[in-house]
Amino acid sequence: SQTIHQWPATLVQPVGSPLSLECTVEGTSNPNLYWYRQAAGRGLQLLFYSVGIGQISSEVPQNLSASRPQDRQFILSSKKLLLSDSGFYLCAWSVHLVSTEAFFGQGTRLTVV
Amino acid sequence: AQSVAQPEDQVNVAEGNPLTVKCTYSVSGNPYLFWYVQYPNRGLQFLLKYITGDNLVKGSYGFEAEFNKSQTSFHLKKPSALVSDSALYFCAVREGNFNKFYFGSGTKLNVKP
Repeated sequence: SQTIHQWPATLVQPVGSPLSLECTVEGTSNPNLYWYRQAAGRGLQLLFYSVGIGQISSEVPQNLSASRPQDRQFILSSKKLLLSDSGFYLCAWSVHLVSTEAFFGQGTRLTVV
Repeated sequence: AQSVAQPEDQVNVAEGNPLTVKCTYSVSGNPYLFWYVQYPNRGLQFLLKYITGDNLVKGSYGFEAEFNKSQTSFHLKKPSALVSDSALYFCAVREGNFNKFYFGSGTKLNVKP
């Protein structure tokens, strides 16, 4: 069966520090991968998605970047964190078949202080 | 462009009563619609989906959803609410061409004993 791992679960970082959040998927190949941010426990904002290795699409301009160095690995990064980067970050995956759902990791609570 | 709207920030219902969480959608082409549930500080869990076929879709934990093409709605329902159903519920639509999922703003369901 397929599983998705996302870590760390919580993170407190000072303003101006770098960020690296990692997400890996097991049990499938060539998945679509997604990074979402959820602010204040409400709506999800799609940050990045990837349909294959090295293919990253950014949904909104911001202080973050994403990379997909391996087929089932998706990394969210920042060179210098801002206070506004605080939030709940969710990684998800899906297969390319349009009728299928996405599966989410357990999320990372990022607090920038 | 695809989008979904959840008009209610919060729904309150007594345990044992039926519940409805509303969702309307806007899509170009065939709608691929999903419902997810989120418990505090957790990832989203898939409940059910509409792809094609019967307008009444049954999912996990006794939930079901009714697809209405004329009203462009996909409301989540449950005949008898449980206190443990209290959570944040998201409606989502999948954009076929680009494999993206768009989520509504979420509805907080409160089930009181």
